Amino acid sequence: KNEVEQSPQNLTAQEGEFITINCSYSVGISALHWLQQHPGGGIVSLFMLSSGKKKHGRLIATINIQEKHSSLHITASHPRDSAVYICAADNNNDMRFGAGTRLTVKP
Amino acid sequence: KAGVTQTPRYLIKTRGQQVTLSCSPISGHRSVSWYQQTPGQGLQFLFEYFSETQRNKGNFPGRFSGRQFSNSRSEMNVSTLELGDSALYLCASSLGPGEMGTEAFFGQGTRLTVV
Repeated sequence: KNEVEQSPQNLTAQEGEFITINCSYSVGISALHWLQQHPGGGIVSLFMLSSGKKKHGRLIATINIQEKHSSLHITASHPRDSAVYICAADNNNDMRFGAGTRLTVKP
Repeated sequence: KAGVTQTPRYLIKTRGQQVTLSCSPISGHRSVSWYQQTPGQGLQFLFEYFSETQRNKGNFPGRFSGRQFSNSRSEMNVSTLELGDSALYLCASSLGPGEMGTEAFFGQGTRLTVV
């Protein structure tokens, strides 16, 4: 079993839909990261969470430390949100990554 | 504020050769981590450097090595290249290790192709 499991692997949505991507981890963490990777490879750090919930624009990330689970939500999805979303369990900069969720938002 | 800079962006090498990749962190960041991304294995942690010292190391053979300079710039080296080393190599910089973690900023990556 992988240390970081993401679901779903692939997700196709219509523009405007509410998106949820889930991440479960089995390792101890100092923080949980959500990353976005566009075609071409560049990675952008979306959130770093150690507890509770964070919001940035249309993106919301939550974490439940007891259940070792985090979710990334995208409200009013847009085609430009199409990317691979990766969660990473961070134990003092030793990161373990999920396999990623490939999101395609159709206009 | 300049972001994390990786050079070169693209590289083609022959089996058996060695390669050196460079990463310049965001100014003021002292921690640099390296990752390998392949279609089969996804993103995997290679190593992390802080204040010129390797703090953490992933599960990679000794052909993969790195170092960090006093200005926090880091290099990673892969010797005796194999076809399976073809990958996107990413580095990320952060202020430094801490109990609660620090936000990491990623470079654009170096795409290495071994032929």
